[in-house]
Amino acid sequence: NAGVTQTPKFQVLKTGQSMTLQCAQDMNHNSMYWYRQDPGMGLRLIYYSASEGTTDKGEVPNGYNVSRLNKREFSLRLESAAPSQTSVYFCAVTGRSYNSPLHFGNGTRLTVT
Amino acid sequence: KQEVTQIPAALSVPEGENLVLNCSFTDSAIYNLQWFRQDPGKGLTSLLLIQSSQREQTSGRLNASLDKSSGRSTLYIAASQPGDSATYLCAVRRGTYNTDKLIFGTGTRLQVFP
Repeated sequence: NAGVTQTPKFQVLKTGQSMTLQCAQDMNHNSMYWYRQDPGMGLRLIYYSASEGTTDKGEVPNGYNVSRLNKREFSLRLESAAPSQTSVYFCAVTGRSYNSPLHFGNGTRLTVT
Repeated sequence: KQEVTQIPAALSVPEGENLVLNCSFTDSAIYNLQWFRQDPGKGLTSLLLIQSSQREQTSGRLNASLDKSSGRSTLYIAASQPGDSATYLCAVRRGTYNTDKLIFGTGTRLQVFP
């Protein structure tokens, strides 16, 4: 029972390159989230998906796209990476109830040079 | 706009001390508040979730309280241990529109030394 799995764990990109961060869960939860964590700024929501087939923008969506492939998987794509996107990216999931706790993956550390 | 603040940003205490971490939020219309622990290089682990109708939640040596009217929550750690060293974050879930979104504080980095 892995919970929330993120791949890759580390990635280095050059400015302008593209990549997709993968997130998969085996918790059968409906809601999935992508956050970025930067020093001094805390966690900021990029996109979220309340259920399969739906996605919504969070606080900092510019430069990112997402796909909710099925109930288990929620991917985050950087089409043209910029140094400002250097960060640690976390995927999180939660159940249908708003009083369900949030469960996080271990993160992807991305550096854009 | 909901803002969440955690003070202090860092705390260093000797093993065995009881300690309190603080979390403040500006909008009292929240659905719930969660406390998380984050170890270096890891994701966040949910510790306690307090619903808006509750005053406190307890798990082992941890006790979290919530005072919505004053916009405050505290996380009490009893008899601290070196293994408690981590960053502790609080997050509120909005009680009005955009209820799917959680707003996080920037965390308190705790070090417990032997």
